[in-house]
Amino acid sequence: NAGVMQNPRHLVRRRGQEARLRCSPMKGHSHVYWYRQLPEEGLKFMVYLQKENIIDESGMPKERFSAEFPKEGPSILRIQQVVRGDSAAYFCASSPEREKLFFGSGTQLSVL
Amino acid sequence: GENVEQHPSTLSVQEGDSAVIKCTYSDSASNYFPWYKQELGKRPQLIIDIRSNVGEKKDQRIAVTLNKTAKHFSLHITETQPEDSAVYFCAASPNSGNTGKLIFGQGTTLQVKP
Repeated sequence: NAGVMQNPRHLVRRRGQEARLRCSPMKGHSHVYWYRQLPEEGLKFMVYLQKENIIDESGMPKERFSAEFPKEGPSILRIQQVVRGDSAAYFCASSPEREKLFFGSGTQLSVL
Repeated sequence: GENVEQHPSTLSVQEGDSAVIKCTYSDSASNYFPWYKQELGKRPQLIIDIRSNVGEKKDQRIAVTLNKTAKHFSLHITETQPEDSAVYFCAASPNSGNTGKLIFGQGTTLQVKP
């Protein structure tokens, strides 16, 4: 079991561009969570998804951010028209049963 | 909603000493409390967790205690080693909606001096 896979590890975008972050959960895990981490801060919940469904998006900004977890393929976190304040590490986690989360290595997004 | 406070923000101990990190939570319905260790530039890794029906749990040099009445829980590391140096995060899982999402504390940077 390869663990939670995230790509890319590093992503550089200019202001106004789109960022797409990918997450493949561990085999057998059907629950996916996205978290954002700013430097020297904790992990902030963004969204919780199951296959083809968004269950809880209470932590995700209403504009420019969207997430999906299609029937086939990885979960995608999409940020449109990025701004400098979007620069952060974005972690995906998966779980077989909710609560016990296993994290990926994260994507470090830098907005120039 | 749930709020988790973690103290101290930094902790420095000598190798072999014990380290204690404390967290408080606000939602009395929270029922699951994991602890994660994050080394610099790495992913957070689950090191121990406890459920609300248990008061204490131990795994080798690591133990976690939970006081439901006071709504606080603590991580105890004994016989610390330099490789224990990392950022430690506590978290609580609010029971509302049973989504399994975790609310994290702000983190404690532990430095173990050789």
